[in-house]
Amino acid sequence: GAGVSQTPSNKVTEKGKYVELRCDPISGHTALYWYRQSLGQGPEFLIYFQGTGAADDSGLPNDRFFAVRPEGSVSTLKIQRTERGDSAVYLCASSPDWASGSGEQYFGPGTRLTVT
Amino acid sequence: AQTVTQSQPEMSVQEAETVTLSCTYDTSESDYYLFWYKQPPSRQMILVIRQEAYKQQNATENRFSVNFQKAAKSFSLKISDSQLGDAAMYFCAYRSSFYGGSQGNLIFGKGTKLSVKP
Repeated sequence: GAGVSQTPSNKVTEKGKYVELRCDPISGHTALYWYRQSLGQGPEFLIYFQGTGAADDSGLPNDRFFAVRPEGSVSTLKIQRTERGDSAVYLCASSPDWASGSGEQYFGPGTRLTVT
Repeated sequence: AQTVTQSQPEMSVQEAETVTLSCTYDTSESDYYLFWYKQPPSRQMILVIRQEAYKQQNATENRFSVNFQKAAKSFSLKISDSQLGDAAMYFCAYRSSFYGGSQGNLIFGKGTKLSVKP
C-alpha cells in the first residue's frame, strides 16, 4: 500500500513569505506527527494529531507555526512570515494508534524548506 | 525530560565486517520503547529495530541486533556482515509508553553517519 507522502519535496521561499507543507498519511492511521530536522541534527517534535484535533502542540517554536488536520487524514503545516532559521527538513509521520503496541511511526520523505 | 545521546558523529566499517553504534538515554520512566532508524540520502526514515524496555531479551532483525542495558541506560546497535546499502545516518530514538502519559512523540539523538568501505 501507499506510504506517507509529503508535498512539495522541496520549497524555496523568500524571508517573510507564507508557506504550506502538506502531509498525506497512510490510510486509516489516526495518529499524525510533524517533526523538524535541522542540518546535522535529529528530528525534533513539533505537533501531534489524534484524529482531527491537535493533541499536543508543545513543540511548535512560536505562533508563526500552525498545523491543521480538518478531516482526520491530510495535514497541513503552515508557517507565516518565514525566517531564515526556519530552513530545515520537515518530516511527517503517521501511526495506526500510538497507544497500542509500540505505536510504530511511518515517516514520509520530508519537505526541504529553504528560506532565502 | 528525556534525552538521547549519540556520541559518535561518524563511523566507518569495511564491507562484510561488524560495526556497533552507541546510544545512551536519560529517563526516569520504567516503561518505554527504544528505536533505531536509518535515514539514507533520500531522507526517508526507515525503522531498523525496536526494543520494549520491559523485555529483557535483546531484539534482533536479521543482520541487526541491539545490546539493551536498562540499568546503564544504554542501547547500542550492532550491524553484522555490513553491506554497501547500510551506509546512511542512523538515529536512536526514545518513546514513552502510553501509561507514561506522553503523546507518543519520538525523541531522537543527533545521529551517527555510517560509511561502508568496499
